[in-house]
Amino acid sequence: DSGVTQTPKHLITATGQRVTLRCSPRSGDLSVYWYQQSLDQGLQFLIQYYNGEERAKGNILERFSAQQFPDLHSELNLSSLELGDSALYFCASSGRDLTDTQYFGPGTRLTVL
Amino acid sequence: DAKTTQPTSMDCAEGRAANLPCNHSTISGNEYVYWYRQIHSQGPQYIIHGLKNNETNEMASLIITEDRKSSTLILPHATLRDTAVYYCIVIPDMRFGAGTRLTVKP
Repeated sequence: DSGVTQTPKHLITATGQRVTLRCSPRSGDLSVYWYQQSLDQGLQFLIQYYNGEERAKGNILERFSAQQFPDLHSELNLSSLELGDSALYFCASSGRDLTDTQYFGPGTRLTVL
Repeated sequence: DAKTTQPTSMDCAEGRAANLPCNHSTISGNEYVYWYRQIHSQGPQYIIHGLKNNETNEMASLIITEDRKSSTLILPHATLRDTAVYYCIVIPDMRFGAGTRLTVKP
């Protein structure tokens, strides 16, 4: 158990809909990262937040957005969903420095029908 | 594209050492080499990391070449539970490659 929690575990929705994925970092960690892993694909870094502020951006679509709240939990919002958005979405957390170890949560499996 | 390249797959006999190579020829001086593994569709599990020196922990050893352009992850006594996809990444670059699928065989 990494100490990072993600909800929900599974999510099934339809094309065109909007969903919110939630992540709670490990106690004391200030950074949260979001990754997408499509079927049989590697992990794609989406975005990083540090202490409430966006710190780094990867291959995140404009239809996707994220935020980190004062209690440090984070939410990833996915809108106008397409079939190709079906994937595992992982959250990771780390400490203060960009080079600190990231600890991953168990992921949310999103299925878009 | 990721900053790292790894073989697509490797096999290892149970009880033997598994040596997983990784090339990162464009690594910068302040970037670390991190290794993670992913079993089935679980969240990636941290294994080990290093900057310049070789490192060892309870899970594995990490050997980094002097020029830092490549590294090797060593699992000293592989077990069936070590079967997984192993990712070598450069932090803070955060671009994962496809990883190496290690299969440990009885």
